[in-house]
Amino acid sequence: RKEVEQDPGPFNVPEGATVAFNCTYSNSASQSFFWYRQDCRKEPKLLMSVYSSGNEDGRFTAQLNRASQYISLLIRDSKLSDSATYLCVVMEYGGSQGNLIFGKGTKLSVKP
Amino acid sequence: ETGVTQTPRHLVMGMTNKKSLKCEQHLGHNAMYWYKQSAKKPLELMFVYNFKEQTENNSVPSRFSPECPNSSHLFLHLHTLQPEDSALYLCASSQGGQLGNIQYFGAGTRLSVL
Repeated sequence: RKEVEQDPGPFNVPEGATVAFNCTYSNSASQSFFWYRQDCRKEPKLLMSVYSSGNEDGRFTAQLNRASQYISLLIRDSKLSDSATYLCVVMEYGGSQGNLIFGKGTKLSVKP
Repeated sequence: ETGVTQTPRHLVMGMTNKKSLKCEQHLGHNAMYWYKQSAKKPLELMFVYNFKEQTENNSVPSRFSPECPNSSHLFLHLHTLQPEDSALYLCASSQGGQLGNIQYFGAGTRLSVL
């Protein structure tokens, strides 16, 4: 069974805090990994891709550990606008294209 | 704007009604997707179309019928739905193929079945 597991939260943190989300995936053949962000009653939007060497985009750092089948997202200096649900997403390839497998998401609430 | 437009944004229908959801993408992508998002559940892939051909049907009941007349348009025809089908239905598109498969989502149609 293909699964992507996340801690649902909610994570309630003050502004300026550092917060980390974790995600595990079950299919060792998975090839690509992403974090999407979904605001309340909105569509998911790509936050960042996750590369084997780890990657950083401003306050956001993503890490991938293929051996442990584990993905993380670190947010530094949290802003109120970071409040959203963060979706861990794994791409599995089959046939002519890859399909995305979504986790249930981790809800983040940043308070003043 | 992501370049993926869905209509209507909200829909209320009875179990005997027939309705259609529409999705249009302006990104020049070749693959289009329908997802269902229910409360407390992850996004569930329903259908995938690649170059207008259906390449994935994720065991979706026949009361949901997709149609893809061209690479820019995707429909989801609904008939005799059940209350448990109430959910957010999201359309997405991507370049297709194994590379460049970042998906861009529309704003979704929030469906309520009474």
